Amino acid sequence: AQSVTQLDSQVPVFEEAPVELRCNYSSSVSVYLFWYVQYPNQGLQLLLKYLSGSTLVKGINGFEAEFNKSQTSFHLRKPSVHISDTAEYFCAVTPTGFQKLVFGTGTRLLVSP
Amino acid sequence: GAGVSQSPRYKVAKRGQDVALRCDPISGHVSLFWYQQALGQGPEFLTYFQNEAQLDKSGLPSDRFFAERPEGSVSTLKIQRTQQEDSAVYLCASGSMKREYYGYTFGSGTRLTVV
Repeated sequence: AQSVTQLDSQVPVFEEAPVELRCNYSSSVSVYLFWYVQYPNQGLQLLLKYLSGSTLVKGINGFEAEFNKSQTSFHLRKPSVHISDTAEYFCAVTPTGFQKLVFGTGTRLLVSP
Repeated sequence: GAGVSQSPRYKVAKRGQDVALRCDPISGHVSLFWYQQALGQGPEFLTYFQNEAQLDKSGLPSDRFFAERPEGSVSTLKIQRTQQEDSAVYLCASGSMKREYYGYTFGSGTRLTVV
């Protein structure tokens, strides 16, 4: 079985500062990794995904993540955040092949002026 | 359509009432998933369809929960005799297995409140 740990429940940051949201996973098999963003009263929007190949993955809205197999991590980064990035961010994992996603508990990113 | 559509967006049910939640997936997506998201939590898997076949229902919390996708497109999640602990957002996702599009697209969810 797979599991995901998001170490920070909430990350406060000032506008235009860099941010890193941490994600660690556990799995005995190869996995695909995803980051989703959820704005209030909305569904989940895909930010980026790692399937294979380059370990640095670029997504929408200036976000990127790096897959580190040895550390079983997939941390999300943005060099300069905006107020509009305030939202809940979820890391998710699934075994390779099309199966159910297992989500972390989420990290709330709070961007203030 | 262009995205995954769920209806209704909000549903208030009295305890003991039956409810039905609808999901219209992206056209051509053979895979369809249902998730339950409690307040302040990440989504939890409920069930998975490939076309009309329900391949995994291990996440359904009790026999009061039932899902179907009779023609391989629209899906309905039914909850019988609702309880307060069923209050949550129910998310539907559809997916493509084509590698270049590999991923899951989520709907906006149905927020169920049982009173």
